[in-house]
Amino acid sequence: GQNIDQPTEMTATEGAIVQINCTYQTSGFNGLFWYQQHAGEAPTFLSYNVLDGLEEKGRFSSFLSRSKGYSYLLLKELQMKDSASYLCAVPRNTGFQKLVFGTGTRLLVSP
Amino acid sequence: NAGVMQNPRHLVRRRGQEARLRCSPMKGHSHVYWYRQLPEEGLKFMVYLQKENIIDESGMPKERFSAEFPKEGPSILRIQQVVRGDSAAYFCASSLLPGRGATKYYNEQFFGPGTRLTVL
Repeated sequence: GQNIDQPTEMTATEGAIVQINCTYQTSGFNGLFWYQQHAGEAPTFLSYNVLDGLEEKGRFSSFLSRSKGYSYLLLKELQMKDSASYLCAVPRNTGFQKLVFGTGTRLLVSP
Repeated sequence: NAGVMQNPRHLVRRRGQEARLRCSPMKGHSHVYWYRQLPEEGLKFMVYLQKENIIDESGMPKERFSAEFPKEGPSILRIQQVVRGDSAAYFCASSLLPGRGATKYYNEQFFGPGTRLTVL
């Protein structure tokens, strides 16, 4: 089965950098997703990693280490609108991409 | 290109009533997934459907819950005889193709805005 762990809450100030960690245990690995979810809204896709290393996309970057079962999402130059929950998810099995989500990390960005 | 549509956005039911949640996937998408999000919890997979077929319903409660994705029209998640514990946000997602193996190729799931079900 799959087990995903993320911190429940984090706080940071505008303009800062924050790193949100995710550890996972899977019976087979088919990549790892990060989604952003604002309160009361749909999750929106941020990134997908299947190979080790850092993927950069504007202010957001995502890192993966398959050997350690570890990923992080790095947010730079934080803005107030970045206050949201950040969800780490792994596909359950090859072919169907049933996503198993962590409980999410609620990020609060303050002025 | 419209995104994934869900309706209603909010649904209130009394215990014992039926709830019907609708999901129209993105244009061209033939794969639909339903997830449930309980308050303060993560999204939990319920069911994966293709047109006229249920592919994986391993996350669906065995009783009272059913899902369909007919040839024409939206996907429907049906909850019979609702109980207070069914109160949650129900999200639908759609994809163009199912996922593949451990390569750079993947298939993103696009989520709808959700239906918030409240059972009184």
